[in-house]
Amino acid sequence: DQQVKQNSPSLSVQEGRISILNCDYTNSMFDYFLWYKKYPAEGPTFLISISSIKDKNEDGRFTVFLNKSAKHLSLHIVPSQPGDSAVYFCAATRSFYNQGGKLIFGQGTELSVKP
Amino acid sequence: DAGVTQSPTHLIKTRGQHVTLRCSPISGHKSVSWYQQVLGQGPQFIFQYYEKEERGRGNFPDRFSARQFPNYSSELNVNALLLGDSALYLCASSLDWIVYEQYFGPGTRLTVT
Repeated sequence: DQQVKQNSPSLSVQEGRISILNCDYTNSMFDYFLWYKKYPAEGPTFLISISSIKDKNEDGRFTVFLNKSAKHLSLHIVPSQPGDSAVYFCAATRSFYNQGGKLIFGQGTELSVKP
Repeated sequence: DAGVTQSPTHLIKTRGQHVTLRCSPISGHKSVSWYQQVLGQGPQFIFQYYEKEERGRGNFPDRFSARQFPNYSSELNVNALLLGDSALYLCASSLDWIVYEQYFGPGTRLTVT
């Protein structure tokens, strides 16, 4: 039962353009969402998060949008840089139910930013 | 400041053996979580420990166990290894058990032959 889904295994974008990575979830009890970036041979690196009481959160070039009615979130990277090339994971948790320590991850999307 | 550290980096074991993986959290972090990542999948939650107590457990068999020490470091133990246990094992730390941003170590690559 895949509660968090990233349906695009890969995405290729030109340097300087916008990258949009998508994530869908099925469990309406999820109330906190996170994005991680992973380079080969390294652990995932925390990027940005959003609570279900918000619909947008920005941090520099990274913006996460949350659409609760559609159970969908997206990560926008503007402008994209070659160093952004990595695998991106979205994750969700049920913090209200004291399960903040249990992150449920999607399968990942491999982003390639071409110079 | 040092990030999350894990040892060993790589490990090769034979079916039926036992393995112990180690993790040291970021200084000041009191919660440690363990995840298993198989190729092509996202990390899957195994355990969370806070103040030496288990706070959460994922859908893994009893062959998997863990503990946390007074200095907040942690061990993950896997008994009676199966070929399917081959994976990257990730440790993550957070300030406490209700802080949702977790910071991951580089992982231990376990190969079971």
